[in-house]
Amino acid sequence: QQQVKQSPQSLIVQKGGISIINCAYENTAFDYFPWYQQFPGKGPALLIAIRPDVSEKKEGRFTISFNKSAKQFSLHIMDSQPGDSATYFCAARGGATNKLIFGTGTLLAVQP
Amino acid sequence: SAVISQKPSRDICQRGTSLTIQCQVDSQVTMMFWYRQQPGQSLTLIATANQGSEATYESGFVIDKFPISRPNLTFSTLTVSNMSPEDSSIYLCSVEDAGGYTFGSGTRLTVV
Repeated sequence: QQQVKQSPQSLIVQKGGISIINCAYENTAFDYFPWYQQFPGKGPALLIAIRPDVSEKKEGRFTISFNKSAKQFSLHIMDSQPGDSATYFCAARGGATNKLIFGTGTLLAVQP
Repeated sequence: SAVISQKPSRDICQRGTSLTIQCQVDSQVTMMFWYRQQPGQSLTLIATANQGSEATYESGFVIDKFPISRPNLTFSTLTVSNMSPEDSSIYLCSVEDAGGYTFGSGTRLTVV
């Protein structure tokens, strides 16, 4: 019940295309859903986050869509650029603790 | 967001020895977290460290192997004890702040 399932494991997108990464969770006590971007040799950097009372949040080219009834959330990267090539992790926090539970990660490659 | 300085950035250690990783934050934070990220994998929480109390370890991690200190609200250390090659990994500290959860750049540990 503490797991966050992420798909796909890897993704190849052409420059200018839309990258979509999906996550699903079971624990309805989760109250905070961030997405992280990680480049090789670096720590994860917060990209965008959403709380379950909101169905969508957009920041620049990055959008989170949240479906509370389906217990799913997704990251959309519009107009994908080669500089977006990185590993993306979804995560969830909640229950009785402030711990973040991470998805398995998606390796995104944006081809020029 | 908080700025985290993590040291060392990398190290190569002999099996059977111990390494202490330092995490310094530029602001006072209540909760600090230590994660492990094995090559190409997701982040796994080792323990949560609150100032003035014993660290709380996740299943599969024990204090004898990963002792943690949290002497004040801006600093913490994680020690990897009696190392074996299986401990080769990236170790990251994280804090919860107003901007969400911020991560250090990590310590890449190789045990030979």
